[in-house]
Amino acid sequence: GAVVSQHPSWVICKSGTSVKIECRSLDFQATTMFWYRQFPKQSLMLMATSNEGSKATYEQGVEKDKFLINHASLTLSTLTVTSAHPEDSSFYICSARDLARAYNQPQHFGDGTRLSIL
Amino acid sequence: ILNVEQSPQSLHVQEGDSTNFTCSFPSSNFYALHWYRWETAKSPEALFVMTLNGDEKKKGRISATLNTKEGYSYLYIKGSQPEDSAIYLCASDMEYGNKLVFGAGTILRVKS
Repeated sequence: GAVVSQHPSWVICKSGTSVKIECRSLDFQATTMFWYRQFPKQSLMLMATSNEGSKATYEQGVEKDKFLINHASLTLSTLTVTSAHPEDSSFYICSARDLARAYNQPQHFGDGTRLSIL
Repeated sequence: ILNVEQSPQSLHVQEGDSTNFTCSFPSSNFYALHWYRWETAKSPEALFVMTLNGDEKKKGRISATLNTKEGYSYLYIKGSQPEDSAIYLCASDMEYGNKLVFGAGTILRVKS
């Protein structure tokens, strides 16, 4: 149980393109999903918390107009990197919390998306 | 300690060796400590979530301890196997389940 699916797993595109990444909870409902970014040899850094039916909460230093998050249902959150540039190249990974479980339960992660902007 | 720190950064051991790594975290604003195992080409897999000072948890050959007063957790692997090779991440829950702050991870390589 508690499977999170993330697509696509790898994206290579030209500078200026907008890229959408999907994160789905397959067998549980997730009111809260999290988006992380990882630079090489660094830790997972929380970018934003995505709440179903409301605006996402962004961490300090993360541009909300650059990284658009939509959480329209209890099983789907999307991250759109708008007008991507080479400096946006990174590894992006989502996670989700199970609605029915207490706060001290693990987050369930997708497989991540490797984004390369040429 | 303001950040979550893990040591060592990497570790190479022989099959059958026992090993352990450390996670240090801020002792203030602490709600829970998470350990995850992240194998190549897979998603991070939850190992343990611990909340109470003195907590000890075990899953097969892997166990973990927690000291919330001094802000550290140890992860132990007994009799390492090649399939234990992975990145081991710890994360401190700083906001009642809504914010995990991750360490950079410990890379474990077990040679057969």
